Amino acid sequence: KAGVTQTPRYLIKTRGQQVTLSCSPISGHRSVSWYQQTPGQGLQFLFEYFSETQRNKGNFPGRFSGRQFSNSRSEMNVSTLELGDSALYLCASSPEGRSGANVLTFGAGSRLTVL
Amino acid sequence: AQRVTQPEKLLSVFKGAPVELKCNYSYSGSPELFWYVQYSRQRLQLLLRHISRESIKGFTADLNKGETSFHLKKPFAQEEDSAMYYCALRRYNNNDMRFGAGTRLTVKP
Repeated sequence: KAGVTQTPRYLIKTRGQQVTLSCSPISGHRSVSWYQQTPGQGLQFLFEYFSETQRNKGNFPGRFSGRQFSNSRSEMNVSTLELGDSALYLCASSPEGRSGANVLTFGAGSRLTVL
Repeated sequence: AQRVTQPEKLLSVFKGAPVELKCNYSYSGSPELFWYVQYSRQRLQLLLRHISRESIKGFTADLNKGETSFHLKKPFAQEEDSAMYYCALRRYNNNDMRFGAGTRLTVKP
């Protein structure tokens, strides 16, 4: 069973640009969550999607957005990039919605550098 | 809102010594607690979860609702346990998982 796949793995952008990151969950997983990981702030929850709907949202500005497609693949977009957006963006998928037995399976991440 | 606190950023022990990684949480409802681990150059992965009450790689963790803690313990640390450990909390019946800041464990030979 293929794991969670994130693309691109590395990218460099400049301030003011926008970026789109992609996540393909494990086959059959319908929930996709996104996290920002930085040395200073650790793992910060961005949002969670289930059945193409954003179900949970963290405390990030509106520049951070996402969506989920009917095949459960998800994208996140960051507009008007700032230096502080440099981070590893992690995607995680889980099988079902809200069962207590669900666990998150993480991708390798997309490392974004903003210059 | 739920909050997870891992008071130690760094923890260093010698091989064979006991290790305890602390995790405290604040949440008024019924939490689900997890420990995730990230070994060097590997993905973040689940180590254990409180509902399973299992021991993984010799690690155990007990949910103490009175003290709102979920400390991770191992009686005899091994060098291969060196990694970054994250405690995480998920609200019951919700997929919103929040992580602590993490503790970097180093097991010295």
